[in-house]
Amino acid sequence: DAGVIQSPRHEVTEMGQEVTLRCKPISGHDYLFWYRQTMMRGLELLIYFNNNVPIDDSGMPEDRFSAKMPNASFSTLKIQPSEPRDSAVYFCASSLYSSSYNEQFFGPGTRLTVL
Amino acid sequence: KQEVTQIPAALSVPEGENLVLNCSFTDSAIYNLQWFRQDPGKGLTSLLLIQSSQREQTSGRLNASLDKSSGRSTLYIAASQPGDSATYLCAVRHDQYSSASKIIFGSGTRLSIRP
Repeated sequence: DAGVIQSPRHEVTEMGQEVTLRCKPISGHDYLFWYRQTMMRGLELLIYFNNNVPIDDSGMPEDRFSAKMPNASFSTLKIQPSEPRDSAVYFCASSLYSSSYNEQFFGPGTRLTVL
Repeated sequence: KQEVTQIPAALSVPEGENLVLNCSFTDSAIYNLQWFRQDPGKGLTSLLLIQSSQREQTSGRLNASLDKSSGRSTLYIAASQPGDSATYLCAVRHDQYSSASKIIFGSGTRLSIRP
């Protein structure tokens, strides 16, 4: 398996623009997580899905953030409108509940810069 | 609320030395603890995962220990090499959230091995 795939790897946009980050989890995994990493706050969980259903979105900072998982192999994290304080690295991770104690596997991340 | 702390934030040692990275957590009712490595500009790579019922795990030159009662874990790196330079993060999955798969990260220790 290719591991968790994220796109784009880098995104530079201007304040007010819509940003869409994409994630393809490891095939067969039933959990998908979106994290945000900044120097100030470290790694924070934004939202996670189980079998394509959002379970906990308490980490989503504002209504400007939304996430979807239309099927088991694809998820998006959307920011609309984007703001400079959204600049961070966004990671997607996936796991399989029934194996390896639910170990999470991370994608390479998307580095977002909002000017 | 579970809090995960890693001290020191940065560590620099000469090549060849054995070293220990520390992780502490405030709520001992954890499901498991995981150590990750993160290289600059890259995603997280899982190094070792310790279940709450285990006391240590080993992989090559790495050994992770867990003392649940005291809320501590250590990552021991033997015979350090320049290639070990990276940021090391620990993460705990809290027991009451085990079915939900949520994990909480420490802020990491940035390790630099001097040739």
